[in-house]
Amino acid sequence: GAVVSQHPSWVICKSGTSVKIECRSLDFQATTMFWYRQFPKQSLMLMATSNEGSKATYEQGVEKDKFLINHASLTLSTLTVTSAHPEDSSFYICSASRTSTGELFFGEGSRLTVL
Amino acid sequence: AQRVTQPEKLLSVFKGAPVELKCNYSYSGSPELFWYVQYSRQRLQLLLRHISRESIKGFTADLNKGETSFHLKKPFAQEEDSAMYYCALSGGGGFKTIFGAGTRLFVKA
Repeated sequence: GAVVSQHPSWVICKSGTSVKIECRSLDFQATTMFWYRQFPKQSLMLMATSNEGSKATYEQGVEKDKFLINHASLTLSTLTVTSAHPEDSSFYICSASRTSTGELFFGEGSRLTVL
Repeated sequence: AQRVTQPEKLLSVFKGAPVELKCNYSYSGSPELFWYVQYSRQRLQLLLRHISRESIKGFTADLNKGETSFHLKKPFAQEEDSAMYYCALSGGGGFKTIFGAGTRLFVKA
């Protein structure tokens, strides 16, 4: 199956700083990537749809200025949590879609802890 | 509005017993339905999708458009089936996929 890699897998930062999380599709081109947030023992909440070469589409209630998404190439999307606060602490997961099948391939997730 | 409902947060069965994880959906068009599984300390991965109509690891799921359901079934549960199961819906192609709340399956020896 296809491989999606996220980096870093774990990051701790101070309140007020910005953190960038990378999502790469290693063996296929992904015109569309998705960013999810998962709270402990809860489901995945779709944050935004990242489209290569265009602006991301954010879900209702997700601050686009807070969570900056860039999808500059067919294999890389980045999520930047700007001016992070403790309530932004969460598990962030990316996925890439193979448009021919609709199947999603998931990254291993990135755990963000904001002190 | 798109919605995926998994009514059971936790399902506990004995090894060898049948198991059914329920999933209901609401969608205005023709959705694509998936089941994803997350084993302990592993990433989410696709288990099966309705369009392929296949059996994976003994699991099957039939799309019932009349009841808007896509329940996951297995006749004889195994301990290694213990995991978190998510039902998911997509509008097709690169359209966004939304997930149900998930059901944790625990298969007891």
